[in-house]
Amino acid sequence: DAGVIQSPRHEVTEMGQEVTLRCKPISGHNSLFWYRQTMMRGLELLIYFNNNVPIDDSGMPEDRFSAKMPNASFSTLKIQPSEPRDSAVYFCASRHSGSQGEQYFGPGTRLTVT
Amino acid sequence: DAKTTQPPSMDCAEGRAANLPCNHSTISGNEYVYWYRQIHSQGPQYIIHGLKNNETNEMASLIITEDRKSSTLILPHATLRDTAVYYCIVRGSNTGNQFYFGTGTSLTVIP
Repeated sequence: DAGVIQSPRHEVTEMGQEVTLRCKPISGHNSLFWYRQTMMRGLELLIYFNNNVPIDDSGMPEDRFSAKMPNASFSTLKIQPSEPRDSAVYFCASRHSGSQGEQYFGPGTRLTVT
Repeated sequence: DAKTTQPPSMDCAEGRAANLPCNHSTISGNEYVYWYRQIHSQGPQYIIHGLKNNETNEMASLIITEDRKSSTLILPHATLRDTAVYYCIVRGSNTGNQFYFGTGTSLTVIP
């Protein structure tokens, strides 16, 4: 299996622009998670989906952030408009409901907003 | 979820066993102990997890004390590629699917 796939790996954009991060979970996994990692705050859970349905989005910072999962093999995290404080590494992870909870992470997208 | 306490950093000589401790004194009966690691610039990697019994896999061993208030992750023969931040996470089976990553232990394997 290719593991969790994220794109792009690096994104540099200007403040005010829309940013879309993409994730393909491991085939057969039915839970998907978006995390953000910064030096100041560490690794934070933003939102997670179960069977394509958002279950908990309490970690989403504000309305500028939105996430969708239109099908079992694809999810997006969108930031509109982006701000410099959104600069971070964004990770996607997936999990199979039959497991005891272990999540498998993608390589991350490093976002820089100037 | 129970809070975990880990030392911020540790060193280990290459080829020796690395023993990483974790305190979780407020753990409850249905909470598992998970270990992940994050090598620089990569996503966190699952290592091992357990409930009560000691566990071993191809990567590591997990020793959980009888009262379950602490655990130790053992890398039996540390290599330079084991240099990473190691996270100990306690998660219950009825608290959704959320992992709360703390600050972890930064392990440096020294040649």
